[in-house]
This record gives sequence, structure tokens and C-alpha cells, in this order.
Amino acid sequence: QSVLTQPPSASGTPGQRVTISCSGSSSNIGSNTVNWYQQLPGTAPKLLIYSNNQRPSGVPDRFSGSKSGTSASLAISGLQSEDEADYYCAAWDDRLRGVFGGGTKLTVL
Amino acid sequence: QVQLVESGGGLVKPGGSLRLSCAASGFTFSDYYMSWIRQAPGKGLEWVSYISSSSLYTNYADSVKGRFTISRDNAKNSLYLQMNSLRAEDTAVYYCARDRSSGWEFDYWGQGTLVTVSS
Repeated sequence: QSVLTQPPSASGTPGQRVTISCSGSSSNIGSNTVNWYQQLPGTAPKLLIYSNNQRPSGVPDRFSGSKSGTSASLAISGLQSEDEADYYCAAWDDRLRGVFGGGTKLTVL
Repeated sequence: QVQLVESGGGLVKPGGSLRLSCAASGFTFSDYYMSWIRQAPGKGLEWVSYISSSSLYTNYADSVKGRFTISRDNAKNSLYLQMNSLRAEDTAVYYCARDRSSGWEFDYWGQGTLVTVSS
């Protein structure tokens, strides 16, 4: 199992707001920043959020991130069909390793 | 534009070796930390290894420590992963990725190269 815990699936209808949680511990999320990646089917992952809540240029402001204590979350507002993808949280762990969440498959109904 | 192109994947028998390469272009390669990240078929992402910009620092996931070696040649804008004593559980798509800030934020990824370990 993954060091960071995410729900395996999430869903929403177009226009809705969806959140995906990511739970860790004091050695990873609790002491380091969290990044989020989007992986569309058959493609390489793409950086969606870095440093807990920063968006790289080109990422729509519909995507937002937050962190509190040893948990983080990704919110997607105004859900669109093209948002259907796998989403991964990630953080550095002070035990000298990088850790990812197990991924959340987002379905747009 | 930034490009990362992996090569060297293929079918190898358990216990065998393989060397992956990642050719970088469109940025000053020697300024960035780089990592290898893998994804087993139908599974999630797993960090494998990173190397600092000058090769001074390297680190490995416990699952590959002692078997894999990361290296880079800044003159050739290339990243490598030497994989020895391969196991079936090493079967995955291997991605190279650029760390935008040395803070474990991967802003560019290659398309991946598939490594299959099977007899």
C-alpha cells in the first residue's frame, strides 16, 4: 500500500465541485510541501499543483490545492469531461524517500 | 521547448540487466535535479531514484537500492538508470522527470519506456 492515502475513486457531474483527499504523516505531508499530478489515459503525468497550492502556468484556476497538518486536498470546480483522469498526490518524506499516493480515478458522470 | 525522451526499455529475463537513457533538450540540463519514476501496469506511480544537478547527491527507493544506479552526463544532456538483478516486480513504464526546484516538483516528464521482466 502507498505511504500517502487517497480514495481510489471519485466522481461528479459536469459543473460540480469535487475534492480529493490525501492523508500522510508527520514525516511527509506534515513537514514538506505537497504536489498533485494529473494523468490522462495513456499519457505521462502532468504537474497540476506544487508547493501545496501553486498552479504552474497553463493550469486552469478551477484546480486548487490546500494542506492542513498531515493532510492535503485537491479541489476541482466547474468539473469538465476532460478532467476525467487519475490524480496523484506526492511529497518528500524525511526518511529520505519520495512518496506518492495510490491515485484517485476521477469519473465525470 | 523542454523535451525528455527515454529509451532502452525492453524484455529481459529475471536476474538480467538493462540500462535506460533519457535525452534532455530545451533547457539547461546541468541546472536541474532529475528523477526516475515508474508505473507498473495498471498501478500507481512509484519514485525510483533522484540525482542532483552535479551528481553529488543520489538517492534510491528501498525497493531498488543496491540493484539500480542513477547517473548523468551533463555534457551529453543525458540521464541514465542502470538496472541490475531485475525482478518481475520491476516490470513497469519508467519515466524520467525534471525537478523544477530541487523540491521534488516534477514539471516535465518523458513519454516513458516499458521494461518487462519475464522468463
